Amino acid sequence: GNSVTQMEGPVTLSEEAFLTINCTYTATGYPSLFWYVQYPGEGLQLLLKATKADDKGSNKGFEATYRKETTSFHLEKGSVQVSDSAVYFCALSGPSSNTGKLIFGQGTTLQVKP
Amino acid sequence: DAGITQSPRHKVTETGTPVTLRCHQTENHRYMYWYRQDPGHGLRLIHYSYGVKDTDKGEVSDGYSVSRSKTEDFLLTLESATSSQTSVYFCAITAGRGGANTEAFFGQGTRLTVV
Repeated sequence: GNSVTQMEGPVTLSEEAFLTINCTYTATGYPSLFWYVQYPGEGLQLLLKATKADDKGSNKGFEATYRKETTSFHLEKGSVQVSDSAVYFCALSGPSSNTGKLIFGQGTTLQVKP
Repeated sequence: DAGITQSPRHKVTETGTPVTLRCHQTENHRYMYWYRQDPGHGLRLIHYSYGVKDTDKGEVSDGYSVSRSKTEDFLLTLESATSSQTSVYFCAITAGRGGANTEAFFGQGTRLTVV
């Protein structure tokens, strides 16, 4: 079945460091791919998404490119801030189901120190 | 805010007791979902609904039932709570007709502890 694998955390970085969080997926066909972020004590919110191969999603300085050939959707940010400290989830939806159900990775905790 | 309210926000209950969690939306969206969040597993789908009285199972549905008698309310029931159901439960909705590329909006979660 479909699945998502994220790099283990926690990830601890200093402010202004470069961030990469790896995400790979297993799915038949072309799923839609998402990054959700969860700030402490809150629910998840969409950070960015990509719906077809080679699409790049971007938001708030974060980027991720849908790579069909490597089945990956790695999250990157050039310069992290303390306010980026959160848990990040990679997720997929579809392609065979059109109900909006999401399959999530394990989540990666990011801590950014001043 | 996407207009999703979960209640209660925190609950402690004893093993073997029934528990009902409520999700209320003000968006009139068709699709609603219940997920549970556990360390090392991310979020996993319990049940979802695609309309009033239309529900289906997710990945981890054993021990849970759901009901949706009105568009705005989606109830999750643990018929007889067990310690393995200690978790944080999230309700989510998607706009429009659902669809694989539709953004999901999440409630703030309910932390359930079964002792």
